[in-house]
Amino acid sequence: NAGVTQTPKFQVLKTGQSMTLQCAQDMNHNSMYWYRQDPGMGLRLIYYSASEGTTDKGEVPNGYNVSRLNKREFSLRLESAAPSQTSVYFCASSVGSDYGYTFGSGTRLTVV
Amino acid sequence: QKEVEQNSGPLSVPEGAIASLNCTYSDRGSQSFFWYRQYSGKSPELIMSIYSNGDKEDGRFTAQLNKASQYVSLLIRDSQPSDSATYLCAVKENFGNEKLTFGTGTRLTIIP
Repeated sequence: NAGVTQTPKFQVLKTGQSMTLQCAQDMNHNSMYWYRQDPGMGLRLIYYSASEGTTDKGEVPNGYNVSRLNKREFSLRLESAAPSQTSVYFCASSVGSDYGYTFGSGTRLTVV
Repeated sequence: QKEVEQNSGPLSVPEGAIASLNCTYSDRGSQSFFWYRQYSGKSPELIMSIYSNGDKEDGRFTAQLNKASQYVSLLIRDSQPSDSATYLCAVKENFGNEKLTFGTGTRLTIIP
């Protein structure tokens, strides 16, 4: 029972490099989310997908893009990484937000 | 900007005592409320959900909701050292909105 799987777990990027964070869930959930977590700032929503084929911006979307590849997979892309994007990134999924989220284990990203 | 406020702590409670964690929210239209536990370096884990005014009990945990006061709390009875973690309050704001807004969390330490 994998739940929500995120890859990679750790990544160091140089400023200006690009990368894609991968997320997959095996719970047949409709909604998927990307959050970042910074000290003192809590969890902030970057993008979400309420259903397959739809994506919407959250609170802090600048510098990111997303793709809902299918019902299972929701990827987050940093086109040109900046030190301000150093953070812990969490993917989450939900059958519907009235039931709460299930989180992946997170990706710790450092941009130098 | 809808807000969810928590005292960041740290909150220190002796082992065996009751830990009381509080959360206020700004949107009167909020419908669903959640408490997550997050151990250091780990992802958030859903421990309680509450939707109606009053108390909801699950083992040693009790969630309390007062929509008139826009207040939700979590009580942990017979606190154990394993309860030491950061507790995040999350709120779903209104119908049709598939997003949760998280507070910044309260760090709880149980003192043996």
